[in-house]
Amino acid sequence: GENVEQHPSTLSVQEGDSAVIKCTYSDSASNYFPWYKQELGKRPQLIIDIRSNVGEKKDQRIAVTLNKTAKHFSLHITETQPEDSAVYFCAASVSGGYQKVTFGIGTKLQVIP
Amino acid sequence: ETGVTQTPRHLVMGMTNKKSLKCEQHLGHNAMYWYKQSAKKPLELMFVYNFKEQTENNSVPSRFSPECPNSSHLFLHLHTLQPEDSALYLCASSQDIGAGGTEAFFGQGTRLTVV
Repeated sequence: GENVEQHPSTLSVQEGDSAVIKCTYSDSASNYFPWYKQELGKRPQLIIDIRSNVGEKKDQRIAVTLNKTAKHFSLHITETQPEDSAVYFCAASVSGGYQKVTFGIGTKLQVIP
Repeated sequence: ETGVTQTPRHLVMGMTNKKSLKCEQHLGHNAMYWYKQSAKKPLELMFVYNFKEQTENNSVPSRFSPECPNSSHLFLHLHTLQPEDSALYLCASSQDIGAGGTEAFFGQGTRLTVV
């Protein structure tokens, strides 16, 4: 089955700096890669996603890149703010949706004011 | 609110008890999911329902029994659980399960403690 590895497990950055979280996946058939943000005590929420026919996607301060050959994808957050502090999960899906989705272990991001 | 509501928010049960978790969505979605979130482990997909039919059971022990009476409601019946089953149980829904599906909307979860 699919295996998704995510690192680092924890990340501390100064406010205003950039943060990068990296994930690798094992199943070359994976074609959908969502990223979720979970603030303390709250539900996971989708922040950005990318499909395998796209190499990069941006949404304001957040961007995701995908390298299908190397089977890795990354989340980039620029100009970090304290409210970006949360746990971020990557995921890979071979179905294109959520029927067969595997999540990474999560990265706890702390933005220091 | 994202429209996915889970009850109860917290549950403490003994290993011989029987309890049920409830999930409700009014987003018009056709797919619903149960996930288990344990400390220091990835979010684990447990069950998938599409149009009330179970499409995935990811090797979940039979002490967890899902029920989906309609597209808006999902239950997880629990019986004779073990302490290692203590976790946050998250329900989610999405428009569908396939390639055309959009994001999964999660509930706030039920924090389950088995004593």
